[in-house]
Amino acid sequence: DVKVTQSSRYLVKRTGEKVFLECVQDMDHENMFWYRQDPGLGLRLIYFSYDVKMKEKGDIPEGYSVSREKKERFSLILESASTNQTSMYLCASSSPTDRMNTEAFFGQGTRLTVV
Amino acid sequence: KNEVEQSPQNLTAQEGEFITINCSYSVGISALHWLQQHPGGGIVSLFMLSSGKKKHGRLIATINIQEKHSSLHITASHPRDSAVYICAALNPYSGGGADGLTFGKGTHLIIQP
Repeated sequence: DVKVTQSSRYLVKRTGEKVFLECVQDMDHENMFWYRQDPGLGLRLIYFSYDVKMKEKGDIPEGYSVSREKKERFSLILESASTNQTSMYLCASSSPTDRMNTEAFFGQGTRLTVV
Repeated sequence: KNEVEQSPQNLTAQEGEFITINCSYSVGISALHWLQQHPGGGIVSLFMLSSGKKKHGRLIATINIQEKHSSLHITASHPRDSAVYICAALNPYSGGGADGLTFGKGTHLIIQP
């Protein structure tokens, strides 16, 4: 069974803390994505990576950074957490080898609360 | 940038009813995903389709490429089908980076016993 695993289901952090959200996939996928999901706004892309050490900004990168040191792991970093970063965070991965049939697989989500 | 619209936003139905959720998008795509998100957050991919129709159990997904429209149908709906259903357009590779998905805002479905 293929898996995208996020390190935490629920996190509570204080304003100003540095927060790491980890995502690991076991499908040898090149592409990995971080999204946040908010009521009324749907899923919005924060960052994506199409190879080790490569990263691209998505639609809402401000306040976030990412790290892709190994193919299977994609980390989202909140350098100084703020209350407006309270959200559900979802990681996904996909393989671009067959672009007409590129299926995306999602992690179970991390619900982050910043207090 | 692709605009993906879903309707309805919220849908409450009785067990056994036939359910239709619609998705339209503004520009051409490689494929379209239908995703299911249960309370608690995890997302499961139900279908990925680029033409025609796919069926899995009581779920059917159709897509009309010319009309830029897709539908997800649930036959003989059951309370366990209660979830948020999200369509996502897979954008063609632009050459500037990895493939990306544009998501609809989701349809919150409740099936009452």
